[in-house]
Amino acid sequence: DVKVTQSSRYLVKRTGEKVFLECVQDMDHENMFWYRQDPGLGLRLIYFSYDVKMKEKGDIPEGYSVSREKKERFSLILESASTNQTSMYLCASRKEPQPQHFGDGTRLSIL
Amino acid sequence: SQQGEEDPQALSIQEGENATMNCSYKTSINNLQWYRQNSGRGLVHLILIRSNEREKHSGRLRVTLDTSKKSSSLLITASRAADTASYFCAQDGNQFYFGTGTSLTVIP
Repeated sequence: DVKVTQSSRYLVKRTGEKVFLECVQDMDHENMFWYRQDPGLGLRLIYFSYDVKMKEKGDIPEGYSVSREKKERFSLILESASTNQTSMYLCASRKEPQPQHFGDGTRLSIL
Repeated sequence: SQQGEEDPQALSIQEGENATMNCSYKTSINNLQWYRQNSGRGLVHLILIRSNEREKHSGRLRVTLDTSKKSSSLLITASRAADTASYFCAQDGNQFYFGTGTSLTVIP
């Protein structure tokens, strides 16, 4: 069974901090995704990656960057955290054309 | 935005009743998928329907797809309290877009 693991379930940071969210998958999937989820807005794609060192912007990349140095790990970076980045962050992986597999999410609060 | 929309946003029913959720999407698709999310958790895949299929069943789930109207529906029959969750459709084409979700509450 596919397992996608996000490093933290809950995280509290201060404005201006650099924040790292880590995601690891154990099924050798090529594609990995970072979403944020806000009430009433559903899931919005921040970035995705289809291979090591490759990345593509999603719908809302501003204020975020990503890193994929190894196939199993996809990191989301908030360069300078702001209060409007308080949200639930979800990581997913996929081997096309199969469905996406999700981690349990990181609830991030920026104070 | 190419994000799809779901209707209704929230649905509350009695245990044993059927629940129907509708999804409208905007892009051409290879398939459409439905996911479930329990409170505070990640999404779990439920069912996938290909663009050349019109209906698919899996246990108590029935999904329909109308590509001419760019719409899909998810029917959960004989609902249970454990079905309480949010349900999302996802359009899988050149890119992958999730809908805004339906929050389902099943009252015991």
